[in-house]
Amino acid sequence: NAGVTQTPKFRILKIGQSMTLQCTQDMNHNYMYWYRQDPGMGLKLIYYSVGAGITDKGEVPNGYNVSRSTTEDFPLRLELAAPSQTSVYFCASTTPGRGASEQYFGPGTRLTVT
Amino acid sequence: GEDVEQSLFLSVREGDSSVINCTYTDSSSTYLYWYKQEPGAGLQLLTYIFSNMDMKQDQRLTVLLNKKDKHLSLRIADTQTGDSAIYFCAESDTSGTYKYIFGTGTRLKVLA
Repeated sequence: NAGVTQTPKFRILKIGQSMTLQCTQDMNHNYMYWYRQDPGMGLKLIYYSVGAGITDKGEVPNGYNVSRSTTEDFPLRLELAAPSQTSVYFCASTTPGRGASEQYFGPGTRLTVT
Repeated sequence: GEDVEQSLFLSVREGDSSVINCTYTDSSSTYLYWYKQEPGAGLQLLTYIFSNMDMKQDQRLTVLLNKKDKHLSLRIADTQTGDSAIYFCAESDTSGTYKYIFGTGTRLKVLA
């Protein structure tokens, strides 16, 4: 199992450009999440999905969009990139169980908007 | 709303014990988690505790939970240089979506 994979690892965007951050998991997890990590701020939830075709906003969704057409993939779209979107982005997945639900994280995408 | 707080930095000498503290606000959380993030990597689960427990021990790790004060701590015994990382506590919400609320993270630096 590759687990959760994210591409690209790094990206520099100019203000106003668009891009898609890719996330794929091979664990057949229903639940997937996108977080952003800013220094000293912990991780903030951008969007999440509880299954194919179902997405919902997290704490900081403005400026982002997601889709979930398959169980495996959960891409995050940035339209009209702004400097405030400079951050490290993490994708995670989990599957509900009877006990604690560990979230499995990808290695992250470091995005700079200049 | 929910808020999870941690101190930002902790520095200890190799071989000493480290104690990382966390306070949370959602008393209905069923599980509380500790994650470790090494430089340039994603987060990995270290341990978790069920909310009706006071303590959980797992090799060098001891988790203490004080539900009355909404205080969670992670003790690392015999801290090694490989323990240098950022440690996040997290609580899971009870909405059925298994969303986490993460703390701000504590950067642990272990001095040789």
